[in-house]
Amino acid sequence: DAGITQSPRHKVTETGTPVTLRCHQTENHRYMYWYRQDPGHGLRLIHYSYGVKDTDKGEVSDGYSVSRSKTEDFLLTLESATSSQTSVYFCAISSGLAGDNNEQFFGPGTRLTVL
Amino acid sequence: SQQGEEDPQALSIQEGENATMNCSYKTSINNLQWYRQNSGRGLVHLILIRSNEREKHSGRLRVTLDTSKKSSSLLITASRAADTASYFCATDNTGGFKTIFGAGTRLFVKA
Repeated sequence: DAGITQSPRHKVTETGTPVTLRCHQTENHRYMYWYRQDPGHGLRLIHYSYGVKDTDKGEVSDGYSVSRSKTEDFLLTLESATSSQTSVYFCAISSGLAGDNNEQFFGPGTRLTVL
Repeated sequence: SQQGEEDPQALSIQEGENATMNCSYKTSINNLQWYRQNSGRGLVHLILIRSNEREKHSGRLRVTLDTSKKSSSLLITASRAADTASYFCATDNTGGFKTIFGAGTRLFVKA
């Protein structure tokens, strides 16, 4: 995996509790993404970042917020977790350079269960 | 809604056979990418084809793109048990860096 880690790798939490997932990269890539993967849906983009403090919503952003205070870290927060947010969450990075054609590199994933 | 739709959803073949997966999309694209995901792992980039290209090869992979039909196919020749994985197409149609993934094709190669 191209210098990208996620923590925690597994988490079980209860409905209504806040949860923060962390993505850390050592590639100095400009773009970072959070996806969720559910059976039958493939990967759906939650939020992405195009620079420090620069973020934008994806197709399933409701109930999620993100922050990027430095290049290497992108945090995903569920302010009040719901059972519908049980999923596998993947972080990805891309350089943003024209020659790289937005090839994305993925982290190992975080399996989140909300009871 | 998803941009890419893969077909079939699942495919089971014998080792040595070829595997073909198809992807259809809805809007104009800049490029189309294929990724592979082994069970329990993140996605790995396989190959990219630009909108002005019609065919591309990489090892045992062959990708075609038909922009008039808004479709692409991924062919894996002489499949191996290690090719067992899910395969996703992904499109970049914004000119920016938001990539939309399809739901994937699950390939099972029997030894």
